[in-house]
Formats: sequence, structure tokens, C-alpha cells
Amino acid sequence: QKEVEQDPGPLSVPEGAIVSLNCTYSNSAFQYFMWYRQYSRKGPELLMYTYSSGNKEDGRFTAQVDKSSKYISLFIRDSQPSDSATYLCAMITSGTYKYIFGTGTRLKVLA
Amino acid sequence: DAGVIQSPRHEVTEMGQEVTLRCKPISGHDYLFWYRQTMMRGLELLIYFNNNVPIDDSGMPEDRFSAKMPNASFSTLKIQPSEPRDSAVYFCASRGWEGTGELFFGEGSRLTVL
Repeated sequence: QKEVEQDPGPLSVPEGAIVSLNCTYSNSAFQYFMWYRQYSRKGPELLMYTYSSGNKEDGRFTAQVDKSSKYISLFIRDSQPSDSATYLCAMITSGTYKYIFGTGTRLKVLA
Repeated sequence: DAGVIQSPRHEVTEMGQEVTLRCKPISGHDYLFWYRQTMMRGLELLIYFNNNVPIDDSGMPEDRFSAKMPNASFSTLKIQPSEPRDSAVYFCASRGWEGTGELFFGEGSRLTVL
């Protein structure tokens, strides 16, 4: 079993929809959680970072962490065609720099 | 800063050949990571360095893979001999020791082994 599981999609939604992307993990030692966005033929870029359970909001993006369920989510409000990309969750334990990534979910927002 | 710079961007080679991928991290960053990305397995950590010293190489698939960081501004990932199953996009990333711990990725080296 992989440490981090993520549905690969693809996920197609109409412009303006609310998008929900999710990851589950098995290692309870993970303490820092990130979402990266990767456009086609580019490297991943950090979108959001959080280290506590609960919600963190940044513009149209909300990251949610539920450590008791070992479940993290990324919500995108008012999705735009420019949001079309692959979204990867990532996590690390305290005191290490071993970033573990999910396989990524491909999102397509249709105009 | 120009960001993390990787070369070559594309490499096509034949099975059995040696492949060398290169990376220049962001100046001042003291952590450097090598990842491999495939459709099936996603982004896998191969090895990471701190201050030019390898810290964790448990993700290196086998002895055919080796990585070096001779100085703070340069790292190589070598595959010898290469095999078709090594075909993937190889990413280099770097980060500083402070802040959010954001990884800054290069644009990747796309390797095809025929």
C-alpha cells in the first residue's frame, strides 16, 4: 500500500464549478501538508501549505486537513480554464525532508 | 534568480548507454532533491542532499543509478547502463532551510530509452 493515495482522474468540470480534490495517507507521522500544481510539461509549483488540522484559505483555494481521518482536501471555487492542470498532494514528517507525493489528479475545466 | 536549471530537457538514447542528467539549484538553497515521474507511479523521491551530502538514497532503484553533488551549485544523476523502464521525466528540486519548506522544481529532463 502506498503511503499517499490520490485518485488520478481525469476530472472534467464546467467553468465556475466547485472542485474537490482529495488525498488519503497511512503514516500518522505526517505533519506538514502541501498542494502542488503542475502544468503540462512543467515542474510542480507550490499552491498551498498547512501543518494543522482545519481549513486554510487563499483566494479561490481552500486546503482542508483532517488528521484523525488521515485525509486532506483541496477545494477550488469558481474554477477557471486556467486551473486545468495536475494537482499533487505532498506531505512530510517533522524533522525530515522526505517529501512524499500523491500520484496527482488531472483536472480539466471546460470553458 | 533563474530558478532550478536542468539539462538536458530531452534525451533519447538506446538501451545500454550511459545517461547523465544535470541540475543547478537555486543559489543559497542547501537541500537538493532528485525525483522521477511516471504516469503509473507518480512522483518518486530518488535521493536528497543537504549541504552536498547525500542524506537519503533509499529511493534509488538499483545500482545502475548514482547521484553526486560535488559543490553547492551542481548535481548529477547518472544511469549506467540505461534500460527502457528508466524512461520517465526526472525532476530536480531545491529548498532553503527556512520558511514554509517550499520545494522549487526545475522543468524536468524527459528521458526516453529505446
